Amino acid sequence: KQEVTQIPAALSVPEGENLVLNCSFTDSAIYNLQWFRQDPGKGLTSLLLIQSSQREQTSGRLNASLDKSSGRSTLYIAASQPGDSATYLCATVGGSEKLVFGKGTKLTVNP
Amino acid sequence: NAGVMQNPRHLVRRRGQEARLRCSPMKGHSHVYWYRQLPEEGLKFMVYLQKENIIDESGMPKERFSAEFPKEGPSILRIQQVVRGDSAAYFCASSRSSGGARSSYNEQFFGPGTRLTVL
Repeated sequence: KQEVTQIPAALSVPEGENLVLNCSFTDSAIYNLQWFRQDPGKGLTSLLLIQSSQREQTSGRLNASLDKSSGRSTLYIAASQPGDSATYLCATVGGSEKLVFGKGTKLTVNP
Repeated sequence: NAGVMQNPRHLVRRRGQEARLRCSPMKGHSHVYWYRQLPEEGLKFMVYLQKENIIDESGMPKERFSAEFPKEGPSILRIQQVVRGDSAAYFCASSRSSGGARSSYNEQFFGPGTRLTVL
C-alpha cells in the first residue's frame, strides 16, 4: 500500500527566499507524481506532473524533481512571493489510476 | 471550456439526514473520481467511475455511502444517515479516459469541492 509523506508540515519564510518542499513515497512502482496547490477553502490546482520516465519538470519559478529509486520528489520554489502562500500537496499515481496524496506542506511567505 | 463543476459548494445536514453531492465532469471527460478530505487529513480516494460503471470503490465506506455516474447527468455521491464524522470536503475530479497503457496517465482535473457540515 502506497504511503506518501510530506516534510515539513508547515513552513514560514520571508519574501524572496528560495525554498524546497519534500515528498517521499514507499512504493517506487509509480507511473507519475503530481504537485498541487490548495488555497484555503478552495479546490486543487495542478502545478506540475512528472511522468515516471522523467526526472524533473519546470514551470516558471517552480521546479519539481523525481527520483523513483529513492522514493523522493522535491518542489523547488524560487524567489518566493506572498501569493505563493498555500498548502502544497504531492500525489503519486499507480496502476489503479487513483491519486495517493500526502498531507501537504502549509507554506506562508511573509512580506 | 468550463472546468469540473460541483454543487452545492456548501451543504449543512443534521445527523440522520441524507446528503447528495453532484459532480459534472469537464466536457469530453468520461471518468470521474471522488476524494474526501477530512479536517487535518490528506485527501483520500473514495471511488472511480465511468459512465454507468463503478470501476474501483475500494476507498468507499462499506455502509451509508454510494456513488453513481449515469449515462446522462452528473455523478452523484450519496451519503445516507449522515453522522458528524462525515463532515469533510468532498472533491470530484475527472479525466478524459483511463491511462490504458501501463506507462500512460490521463491527468485528473479537480472541482472546487463540496464542504459538508453535519450538525
